[in-house]
Amino acid sequence: AQSVTQLGSHVSVSEGALVLLRCNYSSSVPPYLFWYVQYPNQGLQLLLKYTTGATLVKGINGFEAEFKKSETSFHLTKPSAHMSDAAEYFCAVSDLNRGKLIFGQGTELSVKP
Amino acid sequence: DTAVSQTPKYLVTQMGNDKSIKCEQNLGHDTMYWYKQDSKKFLKIMFSYNNKELIINETVPNRFSPKSPDKAHLNLHINSLELGDSAVYFCASSPREIGVRRGELFFGEGSRLTVL
Repeated sequence: AQSVTQLGSHVSVSEGALVLLRCNYSSSVPPYLFWYVQYPNQGLQLLLKYTTGATLVKGINGFEAEFKKSETSFHLTKPSAHMSDAAEYFCAVSDLNRGKLIFGQGTELSVKP
Repeated sequence: DTAVSQTPKYLVTQMGNDKSIKCEQNLGHDTMYWYKQDSKKFLKIMFSYNNKELIINETVPNRFSPKSPDKAHLNLHINSLELGDSAVYFCASSPREIGVRRGELFFGEGSRLTVL
């Protein structure tokens, strides 16, 4: 069965600093992996995804993530944090057999001025 | 024009009551979902429907009953509400089940249910 684990329920960075949100997955088949972002009082929206091909994927708002099979990781990064990046971030893996997304427990990103 | 819309956005009710949350999508998608987000922000799928047919029914109490009158609508009815039902309920849709493969889930803004 597939699962994802996000390390750190809360990450705080200064504006302009590097953002690193960690996600490790478990999957018996090649995984399809995703990052979603949830701004306050809103639904989730897709930030980026890895399915096949290039292991470094770029998403919206300057975010990117790298799929590392050897480390079973899919960490999310952004070189320079902006105040507007403050949100909850969810890593997810696709359970292809059952047609559903399985989400991690989320990481809240705070950005200090 | 909101792609996935849910009503109501907020719902406060007493234990034991019955309530419904409605969801509509205007994206032409075939598949719709209900997710529950608890107080710790954990998201768990409850149900999914593909073209009005129930395809996923997780271990949800049978007090929860989804209804899909057509492929653009998926409602959630909850009987005999309990304190533990307090959560944010998200509706989502995807082009088809295969949309999950590409992570193509479009979420509504959520319905925050508070049971007193």
